[in-house]
Amino acid sequence: QKEVEQNSGPLSVPEGAIASLNCTYSDRGSQSFFWYRQYSGKSPELIMSIYSNGDKEDGRFTAQLNKASQYVSLLIRDSQPSDSATYLCAVNISPGGGADGLTFGKGTHLIIQP
Amino acid sequence: GAVVSQHPSRVICKSGTSVKIECRSLDFQATTMFWYRQFPKQSLMLMATSNEGSKATYEQGVEKDKFLINHASLTLSTLTVTSAHPEDSSFYICSVTGPINNEQFFGPGTRLTVL
Repeated sequence: QKEVEQNSGPLSVPEGAIASLNCTYSDRGSQSFFWYRQYSGKSPELIMSIYSNGDKEDGRFTAQLNKASQYVSLLIRDSQPSDSATYLCAVNISPGGGADGLTFGKGTHLIIQP
Repeated sequence: GAVVSQHPSRVICKSGTSVKIECRSLDFQATTMFWYRQFPKQSLMLMATSNEGSKATYEQGVEKDKFLINHASLTLSTLTVTSAHPEDSSFYICSVTGPINNEQFFGPGTRLTVL
């Protein structure tokens, strides 16, 4: 059974600091990993995708993947109050090019304190 | 990424009635769309995979006769909640797999309340 685990939080971070969000997954066959941001009452918005071990940076966001440890993380630099949201980790076991539904974690509620 | 719309955004219905939710891929032809459900303070749960021109694939525990899915074109999938009951009240969200590496893009969601 595919499982994705996240600390539900809330995680409180001062404005301007680095927010670190973590996620572990159970299925070693997982191939694709995603971070979504979800504001209250809204649908998820894709922030980052990562497919190979190491770091991937996009603006203030850095995703990190370690398949051996079955661990994926998201770092948010220079945190802003607008980053306050629930961050969902999602995994997909389908190899690139296939289409498969995502398994989501329960999300980490992030609060950026002004 | 892909742009996805849903209609309606919010619906309130009486118990026992049926509700149809539309999901449209506005800028991308999608042979596959996904339907998720999210209960309050819970994460998204995949309900089914909608396949254009063929039957949908349902996740374990999801009743296919209750949640009817039709994917008649490359841009439209519909989810019909039949004989809705209060426990079906939830946030229903569809997604489309974009052209790059299985990235999924979500519609704005439909909030269903069954009285």
